[in-house]
Amino acid sequence: GIQVEQSPPDLILQEGANSTLRCNFSDSVNNLQWFHQNPWGQLINLFYIPSGTKQNGRLSATTVATERYSLLYISSSQTTDSGVYFCAVRNSGNTPLVFGKGTRLSVIA
Amino acid sequence: NAGVTQTPKFRVLKTGQSMTLLCAQDMNHEYMYWYRQDPGMGLRLIHYSVGEGTTAKGEVPDGYNVSRLKKQNFLLGLESAAPSQTSVYFCASSYYLGRSNYNEQFFGPGTRLTVL
Repeated sequence: GIQVEQSPPDLILQEGANSTLRCNFSDSVNNLQWFHQNPWGQLINLFYIPSGTKQNGRLSATTVATERYSLLYISSSQTTDSGVYFCAVRNSGNTPLVFGKGTRLSVIA
Repeated sequence: NAGVTQTPKFRVLKTGQSMTLLCAQDMNHEYMYWYRQDPGMGLRLIHYSVGEGTTAKGEVPDGYNVSRLKKQNFLLGLESAAPSQTSVYFCASSYYLGRSNYNEQFFGPGTRLTVL
């Protein structure tokens, strides 16, 4: 099955810093989603981005499907950005989402 | 819209007991899924359903059964709980890709299960 690798596994930032999270995948996809799992365990949908670039406030994402990677950018980080960021992909067809192991982000004041 | 809801939020079981987790969605999605999340890991698929009356196995199906009697509900059953099933369980749903090019998946709030 499709493989999803996220990097880095852990990241510690000072409040106000910028960061880039990476997601590599091993096959073609028809869906790629970024999620934020907050400290209470909720999974928040950040982006639905099988290709192209999207922005939502301080967050933006780019997926280059032909090169099989996606990037999540967080600018001017805040302590509320802390948590785990997951990338998940769906292979061609209607197969379920496959998750990476996540990037744990800690933003310190 | 409530989106995806899960019942219960927390549960403690003794080894050998049985229970059913309920997932409900009000978005008219064809697809529904059950995942489990263990510490330090991503989500792993247990079972999923592509429509009413149909189910399929995921990556880690052993020890679980599922049923989809109504389009809006997806039930996950543990017949004889084991400590290895201590985990957080997430339900999700999405449209069928053939109906729409949009197949974003939405998750419920999770159920934290402890088996002693």
